[in-house]
Amino acid sequence: DIVMTQSPLSLTVTPGEPASISCKSSQSLLHVDGYNYLDWYLQKPGQPPQLLIYLGSYRPSGVPARFRGSGSGTDFALKISRVEAEDVGVYYCMQALQTPRTFGQGTKVEIK
Amino acid sequence: EVQLVESGGGLVKPGGSLRLSCAASGLTLSNALMTWVRQAPGKGLEWVGHIKSENDGGTTDYAAPVKGRFSISRDESKNTLYLVLNSLQTEDTAIYYCTTPNVGGIAFDNWGPGTMVTVSS
Repeated sequence: DIVMTQSPLSLTVTPGEPASISCKSSQSLLHVDGYNYLDWYLQKPGQPPQLLIYLGSYRPSGVPARFRGSGSGTDFALKISRVEAEDVGVYYCMQALQTPRTFGQGTKVEIK
Repeated sequence: EVQLVESGGGLVKPGGSLRLSCAASGLTLSNALMTWVRQAPGKGLEWVGHIKSENDGGTTDYAAPVKGRFSISRDESKNTLYLVLNSLQTEDTAIYYCTTPNVGGIAFDNWGPGTMVTVSS
C-alpha cells in the first residue's frame, strides 16, 4: 500500500497569514497520463470531508482561489495564501493512484 | 445535484452484523464509482472499499482490515448502496461515509453526512 505522510500535524495560523501543508507519498503518484493522482480534503468540525484539490493542482468550482495545490511525483503541498477563520479543520491528502486509497494522518489547522 | 444519505448505524455487540445504506439522488448508482470511507472517533479517514461502475466491471475492492467481513452492493431499483458489516470488532467503531465523484471525475466530490456504528458489549 502507498503510505502518505503529512507535516506538520498541527498548525496555528493568524488570519490573513499564509499556511502550507506538506504531503509525501511512498511511491510516485505520477500516472502515465501525466496527472498526479493526489487529492486534498478539508474536514470542518462536525462535517464530512469536502474536496479542495484534485489531481494535484486542480480546484473544483466553488473552492476559493486562496487554496493552491502543487507538487509532483512523491512531494506535494497545499498552500493557503491568506487564512480565513472558516478554514479551520483537518486537512487530508489522499492518493488516488492505487487501491486501496490511502490518506495522510491529517493536519489540524487552528486560528490564532 | 448529487445527494447521499447514509442510514443503518447503531450499537451492536462484538461478533454482530449490521447493514448500512446510502440512498443516492442526482446520479445513477450503476454509472458511478461508489466508495465507503470510515472515521474512528478522534481519528483520521480510512478507505473501506468501493464498487466500480458497471462500465468498469462492477467489481468490488476492500481494505485489508475488512476484507472477508464487509461486503458492498447496490440496488439499482432503489438507487441505494449497501455496506454489510459482519463479524464486527470494537475497532470497527466509526462514522461510515459514502462518497462518489462527479460524473467523469475520480475525486470524492460528494459525501453523505455519515452514520455512526458503535461496536461494544
